[in-house]
Amino acid sequence: NAGVMQNPRHLVRRRGQEARLRCSPMKGHSHVYWYRQLPEEGLKFMVYLQKENIIDESGMPKERFSAEFPKEGPSILRIQQVVRGDSAAYFCASSKQGGIDNQPQHFGDGTRLSIL
Amino acid sequence: AQTVTQSQPEMSVQEAETVTLSCTYDTSESDYYLFWYKQPPSRQMILVIRQEAYKQQNATENRFSVNFQKAAKSFSLKISDSQLGDAAMYFCAYKTQGGSEKLVFGKGMKLTVNP
Repeated sequence: NAGVMQNPRHLVRRRGQEARLRCSPMKGHSHVYWYRQLPEEGLKFMVYLQKENIIDESGMPKERFSAEFPKEGPSILRIQQVVRGDSAAYFCASSKQGGIDNQPQHFGDGTRLSIL
Repeated sequence: AQTVTQSQPEMSVQEAETVTLSCTYDTSESDYYLFWYKQPPSRQMILVIRQEAYKQQNATENRFSVNFQKAAKSFSLKISDSQLGDAAMYFCAYKTQGGSEKLVFGKGMKLTVNP
């Protein structure tokens, strides 16, 4: 499967625990985007990364949330000390190049995070 | 900041009929991109169609076409010969040309296709 791979598909955490969401971009893609979808809402941009660089994190909450895209391995969205309000579907997208017009973003199937 | 509005939360259509989904957006920029994404119950986000703002010709992909009215900031999606598999949430999205790569999404519209 050459698509964007996200895992796990479903993640359950208790309040105060940490959540780690993984995203492997499509082959040949070096740009990754994370979005959050709350129930009955559209997707909201969180962060845009290239390998080893955060390009735009304007949508990331200031506390508890972090993202990385290391030279080797998947991109990770990390949520520390989760709260009930973090329950959402988290989508990762990738594109071949950023800053080059109209490179479409291809989405993964999302990770549904549930906080008990 | 750019905003995308989908004013109809739900619509239904009979199989084989045509349906139009509306979307308006607000921006001060002249060059940008617009997209329609489909999200079936499986929750995948599937790109349906895209339009470059500098192109006057409306984009078409098989049974899907858009009516892009730049002056009115309107970007509607027409689905012809509706099929049961078209039932999904549909999201309109905007992206700036250059600069930030983020997509700005509307709240979505649920399309039901009746047999």
